Amino acid sequence: AQKVTQAQTEISVVEKEDVTLDCVYETRDTTYYLFWYKQPPSGELVFLIRRNSFDEQNEISGRYSWNFQKSTSSFNFTITASQVVDSAVYFCALRERSGGYQKVTFGTGTKLQVIP
Amino acid sequence: DSGVTQTPKHLITATGQRVTLRCSPRSGDLSVYWYQQSLDQGLQFLIQYYNGEERAKGNILERFSAQQFPDLHSELNLSSLELGDSALYFCASSLDRVYSGNTIYFGEGSWLTVV
Repeated sequence: AQKVTQAQTEISVVEKEDVTLDCVYETRDTTYYLFWYKQPPSGELVFLIRRNSFDEQNEISGRYSWNFQKSTSSFNFTITASQVVDSAVYFCALRERSGGYQKVTFGTGTKLQVIP
Repeated sequence: DSGVTQTPKHLITATGQRVTLRCSPRSGDLSVYWYQQSLDQGLQFLIQYYNGEERAKGNILERFSAQQFPDLHSELNLSSLELGDSALYFCASSLDRVYSGNTIYFGEGSWLTVV
């Protein structure tokens, strides 16, 4: 079973639309960490946000917002008023303890295309 | 700029050859990770080192090997290269002095093309 599931493989939206990228995770740890990364067409992986399992407050950063819900094991990412520059692949990731070290698991990514 | 430095940025080589990819982690980071990303694919975890020791192994081929040196920089060696090894190879690093879910920062990647 996937530990981090990004069920949306590709999403296309028209510019200025809002879009939500889903991330569902699975862990037995009570202390864990969740992340989102952005990979634009140029290829680099850019860190966007880190959230620990004890902090369920939603986070907003400009047009980006994140909704963390432990009850549904989800950490969803919403882009408001999308722009062409938001076109990228977005990865969700989970860090947890496993066998004495900090394991990290990435989802398979969601490719977002924002059409002008 | 993530602070993780990878060289070379681009590399073209022939099948059967051997290449070495180099990574300098962010200052102070103890963990180094290597990932492979083939065209339109996700991130395939290869291997993780922590303070010079191998910590976790993923889908790393036997033709590939890596190490982390005392100064914490790391090298990924790819040998007997095949066309299918063409990919973007990422190095990443994180602090990891204690369990605190430190952020993993990625380098810009090394684009390897095998012809």
